[in-house]
Amino acid sequence: EPEVTQTPSHQVTQMGQEVILRCVPISNHLYFYWYRQILGQKVEFLVSFYNNEISEKSEIFDDQFSVERPDGSNFTLKIRSTKLEDSAMYFCATQRNMNTEAFFGQGTRLTVV
Amino acid sequence: RKEVEQDPGPFNVPEGATVAFNCTYSNSASQSFFWYRQDCRKEPKLLMSVYSSGNEDGRFTAQLNRASQYISLLIRDSKLSDSATYLCVVIPAGNMLTFGGGTRLMVKP
Repeated sequence: EPEVTQTPSHQVTQMGQEVILRCVPISNHLYFYWYRQILGQKVEFLVSFYNNEISEKSEIFDDQFSVERPDGSNFTLKIRSTKLEDSAMYFCATQRNMNTEAFFGQGTRLTVV
Repeated sequence: RKEVEQDPGPFNVPEGATVAFNCTYSNSASQSFFWYRQDCRKEPKLLMSVYSSGNEDGRFTAQLNRASQYISLLIRDSKLSDSATYLCVVIPAGNMLTFGGGTRLMVKP
């Protein structure tokens, strides 16, 4: 069964450092998302991406965040200067079409120290 | 009003019990509805889509009430392995997936 793959599974970084989280979507999927979940809290939307551009983003997704799909396969989330409060689980999700179910990767646990 | 709202629980039920969760949504133009299951520190996994006519998958039944803007999930004959957080996901028209806060279920022996 096709699956969404995320790397790394766990990343520890120092405050102020840049991190890049990677996602390989399911091959025929067109819509891509990043969500985050702080431990014990709800899943929060960060950004959606379609046709090589951001279609929507939340208030959380400020200038420190960026996304791209540089090679047509990997979908990346970059955090330029990490803060302690960026520590969370980051999930990539992909959809084939707008109204279909989304499939999630196993997540990257980001710990900022 | 939150876009998608769920009772956080926890719902503590004995094995074999029937339990039901509701989820309300605010956007009347919402078109697609899903229940996801999330185990601790794992990714959300699709449990079932929710169709207008209602649908059943084994011990799980999902229903949609458009007039009152809620969806429900019924679990019959609860198993210990059903213990998880159940996430309601709604797609408003032309918009991205919107999650409820989740309802935590704990099934006890």
